[in-house]
Amino acid sequence: EAGVAQSPRYKIIEKRQSVAFWCNPISGHATLYWYQQILGQGPKLLIQFQNNGVVDDSQLPKDRFSAERLKGVDSTLKIQPAKLEDSAVYLCASSLGGKAGARSPLHFGNGTRLTVT
Amino acid sequence: GQNIDQPTEMTATEGAIVQINCTYQTSGFNGLFWYQQHAGEAPTFLSYNVLDGLEEKGRFSSFLSRSKGYSYLLLKELQMKDSASYLCAVRAQANQAGTALIFGKGTTLSVSS
Repeated sequence: EAGVAQSPRYKIIEKRQSVAFWCNPISGHATLYWYQQILGQGPKLLIQFQNNGVVDDSQLPKDRFSAERLKGVDSTLKIQPAKLEDSAVYLCASSLGGKAGARSPLHFGNGTRLTVT
Repeated sequence: GQNIDQPTEMTATEGAIVQINCTYQTSGFNGLFWYQQHAGEAPTFLSYNVLDGLEEKGRFSSFLSRSKGYSYLLLKELQMKDSASYLCAVRAQANQAGTALIFGKGTTLSVSS
């Protein structure tokens, strides 16, 4: 089975610029997550989708970050404008939805490493 | 609040056994996961515990005590390739929609020959 696909792999931008990341989850996985991982720390949830609906975006800095999953499959995370502290790896993950989802692990993509200068 | 604690770093030698501890305080509990993350790579799933006790999977085992808010990951017959960060994560919600994981900061394990 194909894993979670993410692009780009690396991105370097200047502060105040905008950037977008793309994610395609494992086929059949209803739940999609975006996590931010700062160097030396564990992943922190930014937003969770169930199909095309938002389940949890309580930790998403909504003044600059936005995410969508319009057709319930792939997703885009955008930052506008970027700040220096946004430098991190942005990980996309997916898992089964429904009752099976409560016991299923998250499967991660390779992430996008963002450097803001 | 939600809090997951694990040691920052550990070192061990090839062939040895190492135990990585994790303590958690979360608003709810619906399972504990361990992930392995090599530098520059994605976290990969190792184990899942939702009931008290030991789960064994090859060289890796994971233990859970819900009453103590405690888990450990046991790695046996260490190999150089086991050098990685090990992440402890808790699923705090029990409903179908709240399936996100809360992660600890990770334990960097260095295995030497």
